[in-house]
Amino acid sequence: ETGVTQSPTHLIKTRGQQVTLRCSSQSGHNTVSWYQQALGQGPQFIFQYYREEENGRGNFPPRFSGLQFPNYSSELNVNALELDDSALYLCASSPNTGAGANVLTFGAGSRLTVL
Amino acid sequence: AQRVTQPEKLLSVFKGAPVELKCNYSYSGSPELFWYVQYSRQRLQLLLRHISRESIKGFTADLNKGETSFHLKKPFAQEEDSAMYYCAPRSGRGGGNKLTFGTGTQLKVEL
Repeated sequence: ETGVTQSPTHLIKTRGQQVTLRCSSQSGHNTVSWYQQALGQGPQFIFQYYREEENGRGNFPPRFSGLQFPNYSSELNVNALELDDSALYLCASSPNTGAGANVLTFGAGSRLTVL
Repeated sequence: AQRVTQPEKLLSVFKGAPVELKCNYSYSGSPELFWYVQYSRQRLQLLLRHISRESIKGFTADLNKGETSFHLKKPFAQEEDSAMYYCAPRSGRGGGNKLTFGTGTQLKVEL
């Protein structure tokens, strides 16, 4: 059983650029959610994907968007990067039924630095 | 607005001493409460959830709806308990995986 894998692990962008972060969910998990963790803060919910559709969103602007693919993997896209977007981006997967429903398995994260 | 408060950024205790990590929440409806933990150089992972009513690694957490608290407790701290702990309520029905994480408490267990 493989866990949640994220890529890239680190990246540096400049203001105004666009970034795509990728996530492969744990085997058997069909729901993916994304969180942003700024330095010294707890993770903040960005959005969740289930059945290739967004089905929950936190307080993030539309320039944060995502996709989920038939194999349940997911992408997070951020357009027009701002300095405050510098953070660790965490992907988490879970099954949507059974005892493990709503229990998140986290990836190691992608650390984004915006200069 | 949904809010969760972990008042201590850092909690330092001696090995064998009791531990209590505080968590208070302000949430509409009946949230489900979780504690997640991050050990050094490891991923964020579930420690326990209130509906399971389990003791994990000697930790327990009781949901007090009157005080809207979900404090994490362990009677005797061990060195391997040193980690960052996050309290995270989840909205009830229809809440999906939207957890509201607190700012976390760094627990340091000293010998």
